[in-house]
Amino acid sequence: EAQVTQNPRYLITVTGKKLTVTCSQNMNHEYMSWYRQDPGLGLRQIYYSMNVEVTDKGDVPEGYKVSRKEKRNFPLILESPSPNQTSLYFCASSFRASNPAFFGQGTRLTVV
Amino acid sequence: GQQVMQIPQYQHVQEGEDFTTYCNSSTTLSNIQWYKQRPGGHPVFLIQLVKSGEVKKQKRLTFQFGEAKKNSSLHITATQTTDVGTYFCAGQDTSGSRLTFGEGTQLTVNP
Repeated sequence: EAQVTQNPRYLITVTGKKLTVTCSQNMNHEYMSWYRQDPGLGLRQIYYSMNVEVTDKGDVPEGYKVSRKEKRNFPLILESPSPNQTSLYFCASSFRASNPAFFGQGTRLTVV
Repeated sequence: GQQVMQIPQYQHVQEGEDFTTYCNSSTTLSNIQWYKQRPGGHPVFLIQLVKSGEVKKQKRLTFQFGEAKKNSSLHITATQTTDVGTYFCAGQDTSGSRLTFGEGTQLTVNP
């Protein structure tokens, strides 16, 4: 089944404790991206990757890191999480940036 | 940078009434996409519009792309309770590398 898989689905952590949210797609998509969703603000792009080893900042990259060492995986790293990073996070992938995006199930992160 | 604005933020309708959400970009777009997110779910692709002035229909849903490729609308005729959710537009910039989402319109339908 074609899908984008994110883990974990829910996470509560403390300020400053490094964490990684994994994202994997099985559709051989070149383009992958991370979004955060906050009430009234829609989906804001954090980082995107047009292909392996190619990543770039989105609209709200501060406090986040990503890597794209393999085509299928695009982990999101929070080196030192802070409470303002409490949000719902979505990973998405598509063949190209211009193609429709497939979203993962989401990761609800709470930083206390 | 590119901004995509969507109105209204919320819309409450009685079942059977029509619904429209509007999307406006600060820059010319190469294409626009529409997504639906059910409560507690993830965004799901609905449609993509590419051509200036394009109109596409999916059953009771009608999507339009403006002549200047800077605005778009989604119209639902005779809403049903299954239409409940948040509808997002997403504009692709002309460089082809970024997809910018609007704030979304949250639709509730009273039976």
